[in-house]
Amino acid sequence: AQSVTQPDIHITVSEGASLELRCNYSYGATPYLFWYVQSPGQGLQLLLKYFSGDTLVQGIKGFEAEFKRSQSSFNLRKPSVHWSDAAEYFCAVGAYQAGTALIFGKGTTLSVSS
Amino acid sequence: DTEVTQTPKHLVMGMTNKKSLKCEQHMGHRAMYWYKQKAKKPPELMFVYSYEKLSINESVPSRFSPECPNSSLLNLHLHALQPEDSALYLCASSQATANYGYTFGSGTRLTVV
Repeated sequence: AQSVTQPDIHITVSEGASLELRCNYSYGATPYLFWYVQSPGQGLQLLLKYFSGDTLVQGIKGFEAEFKRSQSSFNLRKPSVHWSDAAEYFCAVGAYQAGTALIFGKGTTLSVSS
Repeated sequence: DTEVTQTPKHLVMGMTNKKSLKCEQHMGHRAMYWYKQKAKKPPELMFVYSYEKLSINESVPSRFSPECPNSSLLNLHLHALQPEDSALYLCASSQATANYGYTFGSGTRLTVV
């Protein structure tokens, strides 16, 4: 079955510290992988995506993610967290064809302490 | 234009009302989606339209009725909703292939009283 697992429900990081959010997927075909961020009451904003090529992808707001096929993982990282990064983060997997739904993980809530 | 626009942003409706949610995009995307999101939960897929045809219906109750009048517009018609239908309703669109990701609107916050 296709699935996305985000093992950490809630993470608290000090401002200026590094961040890593974990994501593992199970997908039968070649996965298209995404990280989205959602602030309270808002829609989803795409941080970055991976579908082929370099396994280290750069996104917006200083985020990056690394695709590791052998570990079925797509972890999100940021070297220095800002208070404005506090939000809900969703990892998602989809397929190549249009009209194929994204499968979301349950999300990780990031809190940033000063 | 790189946005998905949803209206209204907030909607309060009674259980006997009929209302509609609207979603619009002008990016030339040929797939459009409705998702429902409850608080502290991930989005749940409701419907997918591909080239203006309904391609996926995730066993959504008939009180939710989608419509895709043209390639830029997606509606969700609501009738006789229940309080448990209160949620954030998100619209998204994507290109003919998924390479460029899915663009989400900011959602309609629906409250059923």
